[in-house]
Amino acid sequence: ETGVTQTPRHLVMGMTNKKSLKCEQHLGHNAMYWYKQSAKKPLELMFVYSLEERVENNSVPSRFSPECPNSSHLFLHLHTLQPEDSALYLCASSQDGGFYSGNTIYFGEGSWLTVV
Amino acid sequence: AQSVTQPDIHITVSEGASLELRCNYSYGATPYLFWYVQSPGQGLQLLLKYFSGDTLVQGIKGFEAEFKRSQSSFNLRKPSVHWSDAAEYFCAVVSGGDGGSQGNLIFGKGTKLSVKP
Repeated sequence: ETGVTQTPRHLVMGMTNKKSLKCEQHLGHNAMYWYKQSAKKPLELMFVYSLEERVENNSVPSRFSPECPNSSHLFLHLHTLQPEDSALYLCASSQDGGFYSGNTIYFGEGSWLTVV
Repeated sequence: AQSVTQPDIHITVSEGASLELRCNYSYGATPYLFWYVQSPGQGLQLLLKYFSGDTLVQGIKGFEAEFKRSQSSFNLRKPSVHWSDAAEYFCAVVSGGDGGSQGNLIFGKGTKLSVKP
């Protein structure tokens, strides 16, 4: 138990569906992240929120839409996805200041997404 | 651009044998270096990290890693592997002091460790 909880753990969706992934952290952190882990690529940072404001978007397609309503919750809204979007989506959190303050990023267990 | 190379995709060791997983990074300034482990179906767990100071870093589960600037390496070691160590191991780097995002970990592709009885 890392203190970062992701739901659902597994999701199968059609290309025309709209679904959301949810992440909740119980660590009192104020920065949250979405990462994508594909079978043949290294982990990729998708979005970073710090103090509930998006501070980085690594050129992610608009079919992925993040939402951070408060410092404990992070969503990834999905719509009109493609089969190549099938991957493990990992949520993470840290205390603001990240690495430069010596703070560690804590990861959730991930949500396995399959787009059919 | 920063990059991380883990040259071994898959390693098999016998239980009780020693282990070394290789990691090389590419970055001009002082890197911050991490090793994460991912068990099947699980998220990533931090094993250890190097920011500064002693170049030999101790982590959880009996792992250690040594930062060698001259070789741009941060290899992970364990003197005696247990069956429960079978997992995938990821080396990661984030630039130190260039104003980059606090979340901009650059991961290697991972090394899958199998342990045989």
